[in-house]
Amino acid sequence: GENVEQHPSTLSVQEGDSAVIKCTYSDSASNYFPWYKQELGKGPQLIIDIRSNVGEKKDQRIAVTLNKTAKHFSLHITETQPEDSAVYFCGSSSGNTGKLIFGQGTTLQVKP
Amino acid sequence: DAGITQSPRHKVTETGTPVTLRCHQTENHRYMYWYRQDPGHGLRLIHYSYGVKDTDKGEVSDGYSVSRSKTEDFLLTLESATSSQTSVYFCAIRRDPEASEFFGPGTRLTVL
Repeated sequence: GENVEQHPSTLSVQEGDSAVIKCTYSDSASNYFPWYKQELGKGPQLIIDIRSNVGEKKDQRIAVTLNKTAKHFSLHITETQPEDSAVYFCGSSSGNTGKLIFGQGTTLQVKP
Repeated sequence: DAGITQSPRHKVTETGTPVTLRCHQTENHRYMYWYRQDPGHGLRLIHYSYGVKDTDKGEVSDGYSVSRSKTEDFLLTLESATSSQTSVYFCAIRRDPEASEFFGPGTRLTVL
């Protein structure tokens, strides 16, 4: 079945450094790829998303890149800050229902 | 924040009792989803709805039923709760399959 693999499961960086999280999907028909940030005790918050007709999208310190040939997409956070510490989830979806399949999540820790 | 509320936010119940969780939206979005989130499993789709009275199963639908009699409300029912259904439940909404998906704050359910 459809599957999304996310790596790494945990990531620790120093404040100011960059962080990169990568996801690989299995369904070649996937055409929508969101990224969510989840803080403790809260629901996932959409931070950026990309569609298959675009290779890269940027929003301030956050960027997502998509490689459809290799079926992987990545989240890039530059100039990390302690408030970026959270769990990040990637997702992919396709078809008429838009059902999302999520990766397992990455716990990002930004050390001051 | 997207206009999504979930009730109750916390519930403790006993094995064998029925439980209903409610998701309410003020965005008039057509698509609504129920997920559960468990350590090591990420977010998994239980059921979803693509319109009033139109619902379908997700990845982990056994033991759950849903109903949607109004656009704004999507109910998740555990007919006879089991300890394996102890989890955090999230509702999400989407205008259409091509649009972004937004999550509610979650309900923490404990089945003793």
